[in-house]
Amino acid sequence: DQQVKQNSPSLSVQEGRISILNCDYTNSMFDYFLWYKKYPAEGPTFLISISSIKDKNEDGRFTVFLNKSAKHLSLHIVPSQPGDSAVYFCAATYNTDKLIFGTGTRLQVFP
Amino acid sequence: SAVISQKPSRDICQRGTSLTIQCQVDSQVTMMFWYRQQPGQSLTLIATANQGSEATYESGFVIDKFPISRPNLTFSTLTVSNMSPEDSSIYLCSATGTGVSYEQYFGPGTRLTVT
Repeated sequence: DQQVKQNSPSLSVQEGRISILNCDYTNSMFDYFLWYKKYPAEGPTFLISISSIKDKNEDGRFTVFLNKSAKHLSLHIVPSQPGDSAVYFCAATYNTDKLIFGTGTRLQVFP
Repeated sequence: SAVISQKPSRDICQRGTSLTIQCQVDSQVTMMFWYRQQPGQSLTLIATANQGSEATYESGFVIDKFPISRPNLTFSTLTVSNMSPEDSSIYLCSATGTGVSYEQYFGPGTRLTVT
């Protein structure tokens, strides 16, 4: 049972435009959500997180939105840059340090 | 954030052999974890490496296949035992930083190919 899902395996966006990556979850007990970026041959890099008591968290070009009623979160990247091209994973946890990861979305930002 | 290194970065091993992967953190951390990422798949937690006691394994992973050690707060090893081609994966070590405990930081991974 995949508790965290990223239904879009890939996304292609023009440089300067907005990238929106989506993530759905099934477990209403999740209380913390995170986004990671992964380049080939490297480990995932922590990007941004959000507590379940919030609906938005912003850090520079990155904003995460949480819709608890829909069990949905999204990562917005504005403006997108070629260096943002990577695989993005969302992850969730509940009352524990263990993270449950989604399947990832490959973002390609083209000039 | 914690800086994490892993050795080896990659290896090609023969079926039936074992490989030990080392994970070193640049500061003392509370929690360390081992993950596996099979080709085209997400990251799957293998176990939590507990300092001074036996690791806590997730469903589907057993100590005989993936023995883990954590002798101190900055170092852990994962052994992949009696390897088969199905064990070909990227193995990743992670640790929680000094900030929010849920924010894990990852090593660069060990790419294992079993022939």
